[in-house]
Amino acid sequence: DAGVIQSPRHEVTEMGQEVTLRCKPISGHDYLFWYRQTMMRGLELLIYFNNNVPIDDSGMPEDRFSAKMPNASFSTLKIQPSEPRDSAVYFCASSLGARRQYFGPGTRLTVT
Amino acid sequence: KQEVTQIPAALSVPEGENLVLNCSFTDSAIYNLQWFRQDPGKGLTSLLLIQSSQREQTSGRLNASLDKSSGRSTLYIAASQPGDSATYLCAVLPGGGYQKVTFGTGTKLQVIP
Repeated sequence: DAGVIQSPRHEVTEMGQEVTLRCKPISGHDYLFWYRQTMMRGLELLIYFNNNVPIDDSGMPEDRFSAKMPNASFSTLKIQPSEPRDSAVYFCASSLGARRQYFGPGTRLTVT
Repeated sequence: KQEVTQIPAALSVPEGENLVLNCSFTDSAIYNLQWFRQDPGKGLTSLLLIQSSQREQTSGRLNASLDKSSGRSTLYIAASQPGDSATYLCAVLPGGGYQKVTFGTGTKLQVIP
């Protein structure tokens, strides 16, 4: 298996622009997680899905953030409009039930 | 609210030394605990997962223990190697079928050749 795939790996954008991050989970996994990692706040869970349904989005910082999972093999995290404080590394992870979580390589987002 | 703490934040040891990394959590009602490794600029790699009913798990030179009653887990690394240099994070999954993992603050390990 190719593991969790994320794209793009790096994204540089200007403040106010829309940013879309993409994730393909491991085939057969029923949970998908979006995390954000910064030096100040560490690793934070933003939202997670079970069988394509959002279960907990309490970690999403603001209405500017939204996530979708239209099918079992694809999810997006969108920021609109982006702000400099959104600069971070965004990770996608997937798991089968409460077993190990497998992380993607991350997307490093820089908002100028 | 679950809080997960890892002490020390950074650790430097000579190659070959055995070492212990610590993880403390405030709510003992957990389902499982995972130890991850993160290399600079990379994602997280799951090393070991301990179910709440287990006391320890082993994989190669790694041994993780869990003491729910005291809210502690340790990761023991035997005969450390420079390739073990990374940041190690523990993560706690609560009980009740809830999947919201809480991550610790991490310990940055440097193994000096």
